[in-house]
Amino acid sequence: QKEVEQDPGPLSVPEGAIVSLNCTYSNSAFQYFMWYRQYSRKGPELLMYTYSSGNKEDGRFTAQVDKSSKYISLFIRDSQPSDSATYLCAMMEYGNKLVFGAGTILRVKS
Amino acid sequence: DVKVTQSSRYLVKRTGEKVFLECVQDMDHENMFWYRQDPGLGLRLIYFSYDVKMKEKGDIPEGYSVSREKKERFSLILESASTNQTSMYLCASTQLGAGGAQETQYFGPGTRLLVL
Repeated sequence: QKEVEQDPGPLSVPEGAIVSLNCTYSNSAFQYFMWYRQYSRKGPELLMYTYSSGNKEDGRFTAQVDKSSKYISLFIRDSQPSDSATYLCAMMEYGNKLVFGAGTILRVKS
Repeated sequence: DVKVTQSSRYLVKRTGEKVFLECVQDMDHENMFWYRQDPGLGLRLIYFSYDVKMKEKGDIPEGYSVSREKKERFSLILESASTNQTSMYLCASTQLGAGGAQETQYFGPGTRLLVL
């Protein structure tokens, strides 16, 4: 079983929809949770960073961490065609290396 | 802005060739990483380095080696390329955050390597 599970998609939604992207994990020692966005033929770039449980909002993006359920989510409100990309969740223990999910391909249709 | 550059965007090599992938970062970061990215498998860590001349094996080091002679430069070497090393290779760097936690990783654009 992988440490981090992420549905690869693709997920296709109409413009303006609310998107929910999710990851589950098995290592209860993970404390730092991140979402990266990767456009085609580019390297990943950090989108959201959360320490421990709770919510974090940045514009149209909200990251949510539920450590009791070992589940993290990224919500995108009012999705745009420019949001079309692969979204990678990543997490780590204190002082350890990042573990990535496989990535979810998102397609927002205009 | 942090900038991580990789020497090539696309490479085509033959089986058995020695391949060098170069990565340079301009933000004086201590930590540098090499990943490969394959569909359905996500990013897998090959090697990383916490300091000049230091290296640590990641999850899939077999068939690879690395070199870090200068702080800003981290090289990945495929000693004898094989077809199963066809992949997207990504370099990343990060500075130790407060308390020593490895935080944001900044990625280069990637090198698509095809081994024939």
